[in-house]
Amino acid sequence: EAGVVQSPRYKIIEKKQPVAFWCNPISGHNTLYWYRQNLGQGPELLIRYENEEAVDDSQLPKDRFSAERLKGVDSTLKIQPAELGDSAVYLCASSTRTGGGRYGYTFGSGTRLTVV
Amino acid sequence: DQQVKQNSPSLSVQEGRISILNCDYTNSMFDYFLWYKKYPAEGPTFLISISSIKDKNEDGRFTVFLNKSAKHLSLHIVPSQPGDSAVYFCAARVGGGADGLTFGKGTHLIIQP
Repeated sequence: EAGVVQSPRYKIIEKKQPVAFWCNPISGHNTLYWYRQNLGQGPELLIRYENEEAVDDSQLPKDRFSAERLKGVDSTLKIQPAELGDSAVYLCASSTRTGGGRYGYTFGSGTRLTVV
Repeated sequence: DQQVKQNSPSLSVQEGRISILNCDYTNSMFDYFLWYKKYPAEGPTFLISISSIKDKNEDGRFTVFLNKSAKHLSLHIVPSQPGDSAVYFCAARVGGGADGLTFGKGTHLIIQP
């Protein structure tokens, strides 16, 4: 079974440009998360979806970040315009409704964003 | 304000010995804890978890201990193998279901031959 798929793996953009990341979760996982991991830090939650509904976006910087999960499957995270401080790894994860153990909280390989 | 703390940025252990990674938390509402392993250029991979109703969970070479009164958990790896060299993240969750995780900063474990 395929895991959580993210693309692109790497992205380099100039500041003030827009950028988008794509995520395909594990089939059957209703919950989808976007995390951001800064260098030397642990992942930090940006937004959580239950199906197509964003149920926790309290940590998403809404002035420049947006996300969507149409049809409750794939998701896109967008930054517009990007700033130097947005350089980080953006991780997507998906989970079963119970979110437990080995079958929950599966992460993708991430997208490493560099803003120059 | 960090709610999950891993105070050792790195740990070096000889192959075959026990590795002990520590994690402290401040939020008493956390009731589910997980350990993830991360190799460079890959996403975190689930290792082992423990519910707050237990004080120990074991899976092969990996054992997690939870001390709720001290708000402390630890991951024991016995025996340590070269492939265990990675960054280990402690994570915690409030409530049941699929709430988001709060992560520590990670500990880089280095297994020396």
